[in-house]
Amino acid sequence: KNEVEQSPQNLTAQEGEFITINCSYSVGISALHWLQQHPGGGIVSLFMLSSGKKKHGRLIATINIQEKHSSLHITASHPRDSAVYICAVYTGGFKTIFGAGTRLFVKA
Amino acid sequence: DAGVIQSPRHEVTEMGQEVTLRCKPISGHNSLFWYRQTMMRGLELLIYFNNNVPIDDSGMPEDRFSAKMPNASFSTLKIQPSEPRDSAVYFCASSLGNTGELFFGEGSRLTVL
Repeated sequence: KNEVEQSPQNLTAQEGEFITINCSYSVGISALHWLQQHPGGGIVSLFMLSSGKKKHGRLIATINIQEKHSSLHITASHPRDSAVYICAVYTGGFKTIFGAGTRLFVKA
Repeated sequence: DAGVIQSPRHEVTEMGQEVTLRCKPISGHNSLFWYRQTMMRGLELLIYFNNNVPIDDSGMPEDRFSAKMPNASFSTLKIQPSEPRDSAVYFCASSLGNTGELFFGEGSRLTVL
């Protein structure tokens, strides 16, 4: 079993839909990072959080440390949100464990 | 700030050739990471520098790979000799402190024929 599990692996949504991507981890962490990678593109940091909730525009990230779970929500999804979303956990020191990513496709 | 700058963006080379990838971290960041991304294995940490010193290179695949950070504003990742299985996207990232938010470069896509 991987230390960081993301679900779903692939997600297709209609424009305007509310989207949730989940990340569960089995190790102790100091922080969790949500990253976005567009096809053929670089990796962009969306959120870094260690507790509670953060919001930026249409994106919301939550984390529950006790349950070792984080969610990334996208409200009013748009085709430009189509990308791979990667969950990464910091386990202390410099070690970062990456999830396999969730590939999102938003249809117009 | 211009962000993390990597070069080249794309490199196509023949097996056996030497490949050098370059990275300029964000000014003021003291941690630098080299990652490799492939379809099969996702993102893998190759090496981590803190204050220009290599802290952990256990992710470096083999002796063909080497990395240097001669100063706070420049790092290189070298593959010599290159092999087709080295084909991947190589990302450089920097952060302030080893648990700070990671900022990634655009990546260098390497194809070894």
